[in-house]
Amino acid sequence: EAQVTQNPRYLITVTGKKLTVTCSQNMNHEYMSWYRQDPGLGLRQIYYSMNVEVTDKGDVPEGYKVSRKEKRNFPLILESPSPNQTSLYFCASSERGGVNTEAFFGQGTRLTVV
Amino acid sequence: AQKVTQAQTEISVVEKEDVTLDCVYETRDTTYYLFWYKQPPSGELVFLIRRNSFDEQNEISGRYSWNFQKSTSSFNFTITASQVVDSAVYFCALGHYTGGFKTIFGAGTRLFVKA
Repeated sequence: EAQVTQNPRYLITVTGKKLTVTCSQNMNHEYMSWYRQDPGLGLRQIYYSMNVEVTDKGDVPEGYKVSRKEKRNFPLILESPSPNQTSLYFCASSERGGVNTEAFFGQGTRLTVV
Repeated sequence: AQKVTQAQTEISVVEKEDVTLDCVYETRDTTYYLFWYKQPPSGELVFLIRRNSFDEQNEISGRYSWNFQKSTSSFNFTITASQVVDSAVYFCALGHYTGGFKTIFGAGTRLFVKA
């Protein structure tokens, strides 16, 4: 089954404690992306990756890091989480960004930073 | 600057009514892509449609239809004969290439369909 898998689904952490949200896709997609969803703001792109070892900033990259060492995985790293990073996070993948016909999203990770 | 505006924050209709969700976008690019996604109460995001800027043909898929008008920078979504299962948040999004491919989402429209 084609899918994007995020882990964990829910996470409560304390300010400053490094964390990683994993994202894995099984469709051999080149393009992967991270978004955060906040009430009234829709989804905002954090980082994206056009292919292995190619990553770039989205609209809200501050406080986040990513890596793309292999095609299937695109982890999101919060080196020193702060309460303003409390949000719902989605990972997505697609064949080639906007050129393909469908984007697949993970189920979301609800992060709370206290 | 790229921007997507979904002016309707919430819409409430009664089942079987038709409803149109508005989406207005801003871009200076000549090549861009427009999307609609559905987020049901369960929280996942479901892709509905993608349109590129060179294809202004309207599209119909069952009870769903989309009206793309470059002259007014709009990409509106109509649900005909709405059903309770259509209750969800709907997002319009604009994608474009700036070296890489970036996507800007609107704030979303929450649709309530009452039985």
